[in-house]
Amino acid sequence: AQKITQTQPGMFVQEKEAVTLDCTYDTSDPSYGLFWYKQPSSGEMIFLIYQGSYDQQNATEGRYSLNFQKARKSANLVISASQLGDSAMYFCAMREASNAGGTSYGKLTFGQGTILTVHP
Amino acid sequence: SQTIHQWPATLVQPVGSPLSLECTVEGTSNPNLYWYRQAAGRGLQLLFYSVGIGQISSEVPQNLSASRPQDRQFILSSKKLLLSDSGFYLCAWEWEAGLYNEQFFGPGTRLTVL
Repeated sequence: AQKITQTQPGMFVQEKEAVTLDCTYDTSDPSYGLFWYKQPSSGEMIFLIYQGSYDQQNATEGRYSLNFQKARKSANLVISASQLGDSAMYFCAMREASNAGGTSYGKLTFGQGTILTVHP
Repeated sequence: SQTIHQWPATLVQPVGSPLSLECTVEGTSNPNLYWYRQAAGRGLQLLFYSVGIGQISSEVPQNLSASRPQDRQFILSSKKLLLSDSGFYLCAWEWEAGLYNEQFFGPGTRLTVL
């Protein structure tokens, strides 16, 4: 089963409008982290926002907010007041605890991404 | 501040040729390092990770190998490239392992195998 599912291959939004990018996840671990990254056409992955599984409040970072619904296992990204520069691929990712030679590390698992296009 | 470099930025190689991609991190010590591959229009697949010098773990069996000769240097290699090795390769680092620690990515190398 897919650990991270992004069901929207592409989304369109008008400049200055808000848009929601969907992300659902699958884990049996009670401790996990959820991340959103933006990938412009240049290819670099830019970290946007994260949500911890035990966080009581939804994460916010400027125009980005994460609509975290733990029971539904969803972590949707909301971008308010879209700008032309928001046009990019957006990835949802999850981090679960793992062990590497006795050192804990969290492996990031990425969804397939959503291409967002902002129209003027 | 910390920066991560990758080179080359783009590479076109014939099938069967060797490969060496380099990643270096500045401004931090003993980072965890990662190599990812991204096929066109797809998500990222973790290839290798390293928690210290000489410590390499592979996530998927493949035609590639990785090495960490220095604390802040991570190298991705192949002795003989396959067509299926084409893709966008991203190196990433993090301060330390932790569920809530984000990874920081380099600019990537776009590899085309002909």
